[in-house]
Amino acid sequence: DIQMTQSPSSLSASVGDRVTISCRASQSIGNYLNWYQQKSGHAPKLLLYAASSLQSGVPSRFSGSGSGTDFSLTISSLQPEDFATYYCQQSYTFPLTFGGGTKVEIK
Amino acid sequence: EVQVVESGGGLVQPGGSLRLSCAASGFTFSDHYMDWVRQAPGKGLEWVGRIRNKDNGYTTEYAASLKGRFTISRDDAKNSLFVQMNSLTAEDTAVYYCTRSRNWGTYWFFDLWGRGTLVTVSS
Repeated sequence: DIQMTQSPSSLSASVGDRVTISCRASQSIGNYLNWYQQKSGHAPKLLLYAASSLQSGVPSRFSGSGSGTDFSLTISSLQPEDFATYYCQQSYTFPLTFGGGTKVEIK
Repeated sequence: EVQVVESGGGLVQPGGSLRLSCAASGFTFSDHYMDWVRQAPGKGLEWVGRIRNKDNGYTTEYAASLKGRFTISRDDAKNSLFVQMNSLTAEDTAVYYCTRSRNWGTYWFFDLWGRGTLVTVSS
């Protein structure tokens, strides 16, 4: 199975900060990488697919980059509604696997 | 409204079975691949399995960790997705999400999620 490792597992940031979350795959997955946001008590929501393609309706302050084994999700200016847990997920091969999540908290 | 709604969760004893359902509406269910994803309390997301559409033979994929205990099926006439779960253990305790899979070329992702249904395995 492909292991997805996110870092950090949690971070504290202030509104307006630039935030970057990393995701590393245990083997090359091209750019078969998706990002999801999950707010407490809610279902996950798709943010980006194919590493850098923004899902319709998602604010442009969210961006993704990377290929191969190293990926990142960047929030250019953190907004109050962005405090949540973020997950990466590889769609390169079965079984599909998720990272352990990064919780973004208010500083 | 485009949505999927899960049902069938509840308390089940270890070793027992449970069948979850997912009702889809607002889109052409039969066109889509559908997946189940679960989340144990306070933990991360874990993919359970996928069922493809009729054009792709309704074929399925599963997480190996389930060891053949789960079976995903669908009824396109009723716009419904199912997962039959057998030989349940405490480690199967989780919120189970029904998700729609979509693709952009060869890139697949979960673009629609239900609110989930909680399965608790306990005596």
